Amino acid sequence: GEDVEQSLFLSVREGDSSVINCTYTDSSSTYLYWYKQEPGAGLQLLTYIFSNMDMKQDQRLTVLLNKKDKHLSLRIADTQTGDSAIYFCAEDDNQGGKLIFGQGTELSVKP
Amino acid sequence: EAGVAQSPRYKIIEKRQSVAFWCNPISGHATLYWYQQILGQGPKLLIQFQNNGVVDDSQLPKDRFSAERLKGVDSTLKIQPAKLEDSAVYLCASSLGSPDTQYFGPGTRLTVL
Repeated sequence: GEDVEQSLFLSVREGDSSVINCTYTDSSSTYLYWYKQEPGAGLQLLTYIFSNMDMKQDQRLTVLLNKKDKHLSLRIADTQTGDSAIYFCAEDDNQGGKLIFGQGTELSVKP
Repeated sequence: EAGVAQSPRYKIIEKRQSVAFWCNPISGHATLYWYQQILGQGPKLLIQFQNNGVVDDSQLPKDRFSAERLKGVDSTLKIQPAKLEDSAVYLCASSLGSPDTQYFGPGTRLTVL
């Protein structure tokens, strides 16, 4: 069945780069997404990548997609304390369009 | 452009009581989703609407959960009767079509005592 896996925690120092990793199982997904969730808030769309792309850059964010290994990563350059949040990777099921989410990676940025 | 609106933001009820949540999607978005997010987990789809028709309700516990989408715009999700394990954040999302980028509301945090 469909499954998305993420590591649970990541801690970095302010100014460093953060890399959050994700593996997925459904090779027929059309899009893969990264969402950010701050405490008590809903999910904020950060970026997404079409499944036939290898890389997408958007300001401080870089998404890398390895379709062969079904591996997705999100790199945040110059990480700030305001980036502290939970980051969710998600794939669409390429049928009805529902999203399958990972369990989230909690990013902690230390000054 | 206004985002997805949800109310209430918080609700505390006792088990066996009933509760309803409301969602107003982004204007013009045909597809509406309700997700359940249990603490420490990612969101899981409960039900998906395309206009006012149900596309996917395979994960909706139909013995206690029901949902409708009035005239293809607003939607309500109801739980009757609630159980302790229903304590979660209920997130509404909308998209222009499907598959398409989904935009989420702030969620309703439900606590069942």
